[in-house]
Amino acid sequence: AQRVTQPEKLLSVFKGAPVELKCNYSYSGSPELFWYVQYSRQRLQLLLRHISRESIKGFTADLNKGETSFHLKKPFAQEEDSAMYYCAPSSTSKLTFGTGTRLQVTL
Amino acid sequence: DAGVTQSPTHLIKTRGQQVTLRCSPKSGHDTVSWYQQALGQGPQFIFQYYEEEERQRGNFPDRFSGHQFPNYSSELNVNALLLGDSALYLCASSFLYRVNEQYFGPGTRLTVT
Repeated sequence: AQRVTQPEKLLSVFKGAPVELKCNYSYSGSPELFWYVQYSRQRLQLLLRHISRESIKGFTADLNKGETSFHLKKPFAQEEDSAMYYCAPSSTSKLTFGTGTRLQVTL
Repeated sequence: DAGVTQSPTHLIKTRGQQVTLRCSPKSGHDTVSWYQQALGQGPQFIFQYYEEEERQRGNFPDRFSGHQFPNYSSELNVNALLLGDSALYLCASSFLYRVNEQYFGPGTRLTVT
């Protein structure tokens, strides 16, 4: 069965500290992997895709096929990073969202 | 472009009733996906429409049905409502060739009493 796990419901860090949001997946084949984000009072939106190997708003995501993980990282957290983050693998054009991790960046 | 729009914003229904939710995709998008998001959970995929056909379906009963119109807008219908159908229903649109890069609407909050 396809499964995605985000083990932390809440991650609280200080401004300027490094951030790592964990995501583990269990999928047959080679899924595409995405991170979606929802800022307060905004819509759910795409943050980044593993296939593009890009850095968006300072975030990067490393795909580790051996560990089946796709953790989201940022070296220095900013207040505006506070949001709900969802890991979302996809196969056959169907996104499967994790339960999400709320990132709270405090001063 | 207003992006993805959904109506209504909120809805209260009684158990056993039927409900129709509506979605207009972002301009130019041809594919619409629907999700159910229960409190404290991530969005759960219901189904996806392209060219007025259901092309993918998640693990939802037949009480959940949908439609896509020639202008790409879409409806989600739920029959015989149960208390457990109370949730936020999200619509997302995309291009078929980039189907996983989805633009989400604000959602419709359905409460079943």
